[in-house]
Amino acid sequence: NAGVTQTPKFQVLKTGQSMTLQCAQDMNHEYMSWYRQDPGMGLRLIHYSVGAGITDQGEVPNGYNVSRSTTEDFPLRLLSAAPSQTSVYFCASSYSSTLEQYFGPGTRLTVT
Amino acid sequence: GIQVEQSPPDLILQEGANSTLRCNFSDSVNNLQWFHQNPWGQLINLFYIPSGTKQNGRLSATTVATERYSLLYISSSQTTDSGVYFCAVGGGADGLTFGKGTHLIIQP
Repeated sequence: NAGVTQTPKFQVLKTGQSMTLQCAQDMNHEYMSWYRQDPGMGLRLIHYSVGAGITDQGEVPNGYNVSRSTTEDFPLRLLSAAPSQTSVYFCASSYSSTLEQYFGPGTRLTVT
Repeated sequence: GIQVEQSPPDLILQEGANSTLRCNFSDSVNNLQWFHQNPWGQLINLFYIPSGTKQNGRLSATTVATERYSLLYISSSQTTDSGVYFCAVGGGADGLTFGKGTHLIIQP
């Protein structure tokens, strides 16, 4: 099992550009989620999905879009990057929201 | 939403020392996890412990759900234990709420 994988590891964008952060898991987990971590802070929830075709907003969803067409993949789209979106992004998966969550290695994004 | 407070925010210890990290939360939860974020930024699962006590080598954790706190014990610290320790709690579908972490430095 590869677990939770994220690509790319690092990315630099200019303000206004769009991009997609990829997240995949091979554990047949129904629940997947995206978090961002800013310096000196814990992680904050952006969006989550309880299964294919179902997504919902977390604490800080503005500027981000998600879709879940398969159980394995949960991409996060930045529609028009802003410097405030400079952060480290983590994807997580689990059998359900109340069970142990497993995190990917993260994507470090810088928006200039 | 649920509030999570971790203490202490910073801790500097000599190798071989023991430590206790605390996590207080403001509401009943059905998910509680402890993570270690290493200097490379990876989040390592330490414990899934919504209630009770667990041990894994030099680490152990206890959650008293009725009193809304959890403790992480690290014994005989090693330099590789350095990093940030996060407590995260959850009550429902909307994921985990993280505390701000305890930054632990173990000096040789």
